[in-house]
Amino acid sequence: DGGITQSPKYLFRKEGQNVTLSCEQNLNHDAMYWYRQDPGQGLRLIYYSQIVNDFQKGDIAEGYSVSREKKESFPLTVTSAQKNPTAFYLCASRTGDDYSNQPQHFGDGTRLSIL
Amino acid sequence: KQEVTQIPAALSVPEGENLVLNCSFTDSAIYNLQWFRQDPGKGLTSLLLIQSSQREQTSGRLNASLDKSSGRSTLYIAASQPGDSATYLCAVPRAGNNRKLIWGLGTSLAVNP
Repeated sequence: DGGITQSPKYLFRKEGQNVTLSCEQNLNHDAMYWYRQDPGQGLRLIYYSQIVNDFQKGDIAEGYSVSREKKESFPLTVTSAQKNPTAFYLCASRTGDDYSNQPQHFGDGTRLSIL
Repeated sequence: KQEVTQIPAALSVPEGENLVLNCSFTDSAIYNLQWFRQDPGKGLTSLLLIQSSQREQTSGRLNASLDKSSGRSTLYIAASQPGDSATYLCAVPRAGNNRKLIWGLGTSLAVNP
């Protein structure tokens, strides 16, 4: 079955540590996204990528980094510069170009907590 | 600046009831409007996407309508079931293309047996 796989499901970060969240899709989608979800707040865009080797900052990119070396993969690194990383992180992908009416498809998320 | 609001924030209904969830947006120049469902601790599932030229979309017991002139969309759920319990979110694309979405905070629905 095609879909988006996020791993791990739960992740714990120590102070000063960088951690990487994995996102893999086998839907052959061009666009991929990373969101952060906090209680009482809407989904906030961290980074997005429309094609391989290209990505743009979203609304809250500070303290995060990404890479897009393969179409299927869009890992997110939460760096030590992100002072409040505890949240639920969602990866999504979408087919088509900027003007196609296609919805985003989501993985099941990674819950990141501070030790 | 586009803003998306969902009212009510939470709703509790008995099983079998027909219900309506609301989504409003401030800028009527939208490309489409999308409804998603999120179960606790899970990712989002796309339910319906209404293009700007459409007035409604239907999928099973779900019907979503769009009125751009009034800046409103409604999600109608017929004959609600306990399995419909989830958070329902709506979203609209920003700035004339579908690249990025602006999200509402969602309506948390509980359907009681």
